[in-house]
Amino acid sequence: DSGVTQTPKHLITATGQRVTLRCSPRSGDLSVYWYQQSLDQGLQFLIQYYNGEERAKGNILERFSAQQFPDLHSELNLSSLELGDSALYFCASSLDKSTDTQYFGPGTRLTVL
Amino acid sequence: AQRVTQPEKLLSVFKGAPVELKCNYSYSGSPELFWYVQYSRQRLQLLLRHISRESIKGFTADLNKGETSFHLKKPFAQEEDSAMYYCALRGSNYQLIWGAGTKLIIKP
Repeated sequence: DSGVTQTPKHLITATGQRVTLRCSPRSGDLSVYWYQQSLDQGLQFLIQYYNGEERAKGNILERFSAQQFPDLHSELNLSSLELGDSALYFCASSLDKSTDTQYFGPGTRLTVL
Repeated sequence: AQRVTQPEKLLSVFKGAPVELKCNYSYSGSPELFWYVQYSRQRLQLLLRHISRESIKGFTADLNKGETSFHLKKPFAQEEDSAMYYCALRGSNYQLIWGAGTKLIIKP
């Protein structure tokens, strides 16, 4: 077990709604990464936080936002949900900013109906 | 452009046969490459990274800068090797750039 936890495991919601996904990194890890995994797009990097600050942005939509709290857990907020947002959302953590190995959580499966 | 290509979406081999999962990359600097594995209904796990040059679960991968490849190999496939395999490249902004993945099926 890598130690990264994500809640909830599954989420089913309707179009237009807003959801929040939560991630707790491994103990001692300062960096948190969010990824989206969908059938058509594969694994896409969304955003990275390091010690509470945004570090890097990937293919993250404007309807999506994230933050990392003082206790280092992170939340990914998805709003105005569309059918195409249905995917598996992974969180990963690493010890430092960029060059360390990333350890993945089990993912949250989001289904937008 | 920085890119990772895994040309095979699906690879099916018999148990005991050799396995080679292909990964090609495009990167102008000195690349840092990884293989991650995702077993059914489980999280992504690091399988190996080229800088450590270790062998995990019998898998090895050699960086070939001339061919810009980082193919994953195992001499004798086992049924428990069935999984999705992702090749990833650390890009110039230190983020991981992922291939599309190859689904490996080991037939009994």
